Amino acid sequence: DSGVTQTPKHLITATGQRVTLRCSPRSGDLSVYWYQQSLDQGLQFLIQYYNGEERAKGNILERFSAQQFPDLHSELNLSSLELGDSALYFCASSVNLGWGEQFFGPGTRLTVL
Amino acid sequence: AQTVTQSQPEMSVQEAETVTLSCTYDTSESNYYLFWYKQPPSRQMILVIRQEAYKQQNATENRFSVNFQKAAKSFSLKISDSQLGDTAMYFCAFIVSGGGADGLTFGKGTHLIIQP
Repeated sequence: DSGVTQTPKHLITATGQRVTLRCSPRSGDLSVYWYQQSLDQGLQFLIQYYNGEERAKGNILERFSAQQFPDLHSELNLSSLELGDSALYFCASSVNLGWGEQFFGPGTRLTVL
Repeated sequence: AQTVTQSQPEMSVQEAETVTLSCTYDTSESNYYLFWYKQPPSRQMILVIRQEAYKQQNATENRFSVNFQKAAKSFSLKISDSQLGDTAMYFCAFIVSGGGADGLTFGKGTHLIIQP
């Protein structure tokens, strides 16, 4: 158990819908990262937040957005969903910027039908 | 931009054997971290080992060790006395260090199968 929690574990929805994935980092970790794992693209970095502020963007689509709240939990919002958005979405956390080591949550499996 | 290449899509060895997984990377940065993550069938991403680029000494964690060749930009993982529980996808990952903001860059992974 990494100490990072993600809900829900599984999510099945239809094209065009909007979903929210939730992540709670390890106690004391200020930085949260979101990753997408799909068969086509492999593991891709989406976005990073540090202490409530967005700090880096990777290959995140404009239909996707995220935020980190004062209690440091984070939410990833996916809208206008397409079949190709079906993937495993991971949240990871680290103590600080530039610390390197990231601890991953169990992931949310999103299926878009 | 950084890239990470794992040239072995799949490997299979017998239990108790030693196996080496290859990883090369490309970067213009001088300070960075390298990692190996394990993803078993449960899909959980588990950190196996970490190497700081400024350290010449290769990292070791029990049966896991790395061969870090900075000039060659190579970072291989050696698993000694392999066990059935080592069966998993293994991902090599890179991140720039030094207080910057960024995510991990992953290779495409190597599927390691340990045969009984």
